[in-house]
Amino acid sequence: RKEVEQDPGPFNVPEGATVAFNCTYSNSASQSFFWYRQDCRKEPKLLMSVYSSGNEDGRFTAQLNRASQYISLLIRDSKLSDSATYLCVVNAGGFKTIFGAGTRLFVKA
Amino acid sequence: ETGVTQTPRHLVMGMTNKKSLKCEQHLGHNAMYWYKQSAKKPLELMFVYNFKEQTENNSVPSRFSPECPNSSHLFLHLHTLQPEDSALYLCASSHDDGSYEQYFGPGTRLTVT
Repeated sequence: RKEVEQDPGPFNVPEGATVAFNCTYSNSASQSFFWYRQDCRKEPKLLMSVYSSGNEDGRFTAQLNRASQYISLLIRDSKLSDSATYLCVVNAGGFKTIFGAGTRLFVKA
Repeated sequence: ETGVTQTPRHLVMGMTNKKSLKCEQHLGHNAMYWYKQSAKKPLELMFVYNFKEQTENNSVPSRFSPECPNSSHLFLHLHTLQPEDSALYLCASSHDDGSYEQYFGPGTRLTVT
């Protein structure tokens, strides 16, 4: 089993749609969780940290379910500029960081 | 300059060459990271330094040799690489306060011929 698993995608959605990405992790001792976005041939950029109580930043909502070892990212009112690869990231203890393979999103006009 | 910078942005080297990648961060962070990103594969953590001390070495071959002279600079020395080492090498930095939010440089695209 991979340490961090994501829906491979690609997700193709129209502008204005709501889209949700899922991620599962295998290490129950993991403490910190993040979503990054990566545009084609660019570096990953931090989108948001994921907190136990769930958190929202504008159109983006992240949730954590420790019991099921599951993280989600919800994007509402999708924009063309949201097209990117979304990376689920788990801190497995200390500075050890595990990246998922990413979910590709295409938002179409 | 602000953020995390990396040089060179592109590098082509032969298998017998020796080269170095450089990373510099201007964010006041104490931890710095090297990652490898190959085509269609997740980012792979290679090394982590915290306050100049190496804290992670993810079973990286010895042909990759990191150096961290201070909290703002990180190098990756390369020698006798293989074609399969061709990839995007990304540097990142973070605070060491437990948040581990990492900020990445633009990467060095390395091609080994």
